[in-house]
Amino acid sequence: EIVLTQSPGTLSLSPGERATLSCRASQSVSSTSLAWFQQKPGQAPRLLIYGASSRATGIADRFSGSGSGTDFTLTISRLEPEDFAVYYCQQYGSSPWTFGQGTKVEIK
Amino acid sequence: QVQLQESGPGLVKPSQTLSLTCTVSGDSISSGADYWTWIRQPPGKGLEWIGYIYYSGSTNYNPSLKSRLTISVDTSKNQFSLKLSSVTATDTAVYYCARGVNVWGQGTLVTVSS
Repeated sequence: EIVLTQSPGTLSLSPGERATLSCRASQSVSSTSLAWFQQKPGQAPRLLIYGASSRATGIADRFSGSGSGTDFTLTISRLEPEDFAVYYCQQYGSSPWTFGQGTKVEIK
Repeated sequence: QVQLQESGPGLVKPSQTLSLTCTVSGDSISSGADYWTWIRQPPGKGLEWIGYIYYSGSTNYNPSLKSRLTISVDTSKNQFSLKLSSVTATDTAVYYCARGVNVWGQGTLVTVSS
């Protein structure tokens, strides 16, 4: 099973700042099978990025994904008030599919 | 656009079987475009992939749940279902159905309690 470790656990930033979230895998992940989700309280997760770097439909271009192998990054270029949420990475190229434990982006 | 809706009992007794159905609209399960997936999230915790089914009926389960889990599909109703047997309090969670990774239902809370 591929274990995904996200860091940091919590990121305290101000609106307008840049957020950099890390997702590290215990073994190599296919770049075509790494996704990032945003989840707000009481809501289902929303797909932001698939295939490590492709934005999902309707996702603002301030969200970008990068990385390969065992190291992946989600970057939010300038935080908007609605971006404060929990973010999860997921790999879906190897069974069982697995999620990271999440990074909370909170208002500083 | 594609929409998914979970349905089923919100309360299940310990040792019983948890049964949920996901109804798909705006897409056909038979199209073969994706895997039809179940995910769960215990209150205040992270996400856990449960398993998926393909329109043909082939399945892939999380090994941690495999001995208790059955996922099935009814293409005539455009639905797929989850059955989890011998539940305990640790199975209390919001259960989500999804098409692959990109479209999720709103989720349904299932509480295991006597």
